[in-house]
Amino acid sequence: QVHLHQSGPGLVKPSETLSLTCSVSGDSVNSNFWSWLRQSPGGGLEWIVNFFDNENSVSNPSLQSRAAISVETSKNEVSLKLRSVTAADTAVYYCARLRETLLWSGESSYSFDSWGQGLMVTVSS
Amino acid sequence: DIVMTQSPGTLSLSPGESATLSCRASQSVSSSYFAWYQQKPGQPPRLLIYGTSHRATGVSDRFTGSGSGTDFTLTISRLEPEDSAVYYCQQYGSSPLLSFGPGTKVHIK
Repeated sequence: QVHLHQSGPGLVKPSETLSLTCSVSGDSVNSNFWSWLRQSPGGGLEWIVNFFDNENSVSNPSLQSRAAISVETSKNEVSLKLRSVTAADTAVYYCARLRETLLWSGESSYSFDSWGQGLMVTVSS
Repeated sequence: DIVMTQSPGTLSLSPGESATLSCRASQSVSSSYFAWYQQKPGQPPRLLIYGTSHRATGVSDRFTGSGSGTDFTLTISRLEPEDSAVYYCQQYGSSPLLSFGPGTKVHIK
């Protein structure tokens, strides 16, 4: 069974870079797609960025290219860097496995089937 | 950009009743690319339904997903106290690549 464990600072200063790590066990980071998402206090879910492979990651345009995702195969980890943070980036951050499932129709379905525990990150001086 | 809306915002029902949760997309979504999640306080979301109608591993058959195009529905039958949660719909494939609805809070009296 896959387990995702997140780590990183709970407090980041405005204009600095938020860096989080997701340690994956029970699966290889090379075998699936990976994502970061966040949830503002009392708010809904927002997708941040997907990792498909070393040549292909896609981020939410609303973040204006501030987000970057990477995978460290030797450590089986997925990382997030979010540059130039402001108070609006205060949220609970989640890593998740984006699972591609082949349906009977022959089409693929994409959904988040495993999640990290979530990490509250506050942006404040 | 695609906009996902959910209704009602809050649902208050008694155990044993059925709940019908709606999600509407501003543009057509492929049924393969539509999912539902359940989130309880202090926990990450849990995948319930993928590909519009396929239950995720370990999900009770009391949860049923249906719909197509711009209108999708999650039905929870024979409500139990443990079903109290916020339910989110999610689309994949439209701009932005991934987005969620604002959620429906289900309260079991």
